[in-house]
Amino acid sequence: EAGVVQSPRYKIIEKKQPVAFWCNPISGHNTLYWYLQNLGQGPELLIRYENEEAVDDSQLPKDRFSAERLKGVDSTLKIQPAELGDSAVYLCASSSGGRNTEAFFGQGTRLTVV
Amino acid sequence: GENVEQHPSTLSVQEGDSAVIKCTYSDSASNYFPWYKQELGKGPQLIIDIRSNVGEKKDQRIAVTLNKTAKHFSLHITETQPEDSAVYFCAATPGGSYIPTFGRGTSLIVHP
Repeated sequence: EAGVVQSPRYKIIEKKQPVAFWCNPISGHNTLYWYLQNLGQGPELLIRYENEEAVDDSQLPKDRFSAERLKGVDSTLKIQPAELGDSAVYLCASSSGGRNTEAFFGQGTRLTVV
Repeated sequence: GENVEQHPSTLSVQEGDSAVIKCTYSDSASNYFPWYKQELGKGPQLIIDIRSNVGEKKDQRIAVTLNKTAKHFSLHITETQPEDSAVYFCAATPGGSYIPTFGRGTSLIVHP
């Protein structure tokens, strides 16, 4: 069974440009997470989806970040416009749902804003 | 909210030695404590977890202990191997929450 797939793996953009990340969760997983991981730190939650509904999005900087999960499967995370401080690894994870269930992470997208 | 402290930030051991990573948490309502291993260029992968109704759990060379009274939990790796070299993250999930709070990570280096 395929794991969580993210693309692209790497992205370099100039500041003020838009960027989008894509995530395909494990088949059948209703819960999808987007995490931000800065260098030398643990993942921090940006947003959690239950099916197509966004919940737990209090840490998402809504002035420049947006996310969607159409049809409750794939998800995209967008930044517009990007800032230098957005350089980080963006991780997508999915789980079968419910509290205290294992989250499976993708390989992440490493974003560099120059 | 929950706050998780993790120590040490870097741990260097010789192959065959044991390694111990310690974490503390602040929210007494936390009841689920997963440990993740992250290899270079990959996403975190769950290696073991423990729930608040259990004091210790073991899986081959790895074990986790939980002290609810002191609000700390630890990861123990015995007979370390070079392939154990990675960054390890502890996390704590408050009761009623779906979201674990991660520690800052420990970079484990196992020298052959």
